[in-house]
Amino acid sequence: NAGVTQTPKFQVLKTGQSMTLQCAQDMNHEYMSWYRQDPGMGLRLIHYSVGAGITDQGEVPNGYNVSRSTTEDFPLRLLSAAPSQTSVYFCASSYARGFYEQYFGPGTRLTVT
Amino acid sequence: RKEVEQDPGPFNVPEGATVAFNCTYSNSASQSFFWYRQDCRKEPKLLMSVYSSGNEDGRFTAQLNRASQYISLLIRDSKLSDSATYLCVVILTGTASKLTFGTGTRLQVTL
Repeated sequence: NAGVTQTPKFQVLKTGQSMTLQCAQDMNHEYMSWYRQDPGMGLRLIHYSVGAGITDQGEVPNGYNVSRSTTEDFPLRLLSAAPSQTSVYFCASSYARGFYEQYFGPGTRLTVT
Repeated sequence: RKEVEQDPGPFNVPEGATVAFNCTYSNSASQSFFWYRQDCRKEPKLLMSVYSSGNEDGRFTAQLNRASQYISLLIRDSKLSDSATYLCVVILTGTASKLTFGTGTRLQVTL
């Protein structure tokens, strides 16, 4: 079991560029989510999915898109990168919607210049 | 007021000491509570859930005080390996998909 994997580990973008952060899990978890972590802010939910084909917005969705075509994969797309999107991004999965342990990926450190 | 508040620390304690952190939450409808641990530049990992009756796992004890709206984490006999940031997590009733994270309390255990 690889658990939750994320690629890339590090990325530098120029303002206006787009990119996709990849997230995959091999635990057959229904629920997946994306967070960003900034100093002094805690983890904030960007988007989440309760199953293949179903996604919804979290607390800070602007500037990001997601899709969930399979149970395993939940990519996060930055449409037009801005310096305010410089952050550490974590993907997480859990057994189901509800009060279950969240398993986090190792994170992607993104810098937008 | 933030939904979940933690003292950022750092708490610097010698090995073997007992240390306690609190986490306050603002919404009385909060239903579930957890402590996660995050090592430097790593992902958060579940440390323990917090039950109404309190729970203990080895050197770690978590407690909930609904009247005063806080949860606590007590670490006894601190080890160097306990050095990390401890994140408080709260789930509100009716928002089962949304975890609210505190900003974390950093613990540094020294020789």
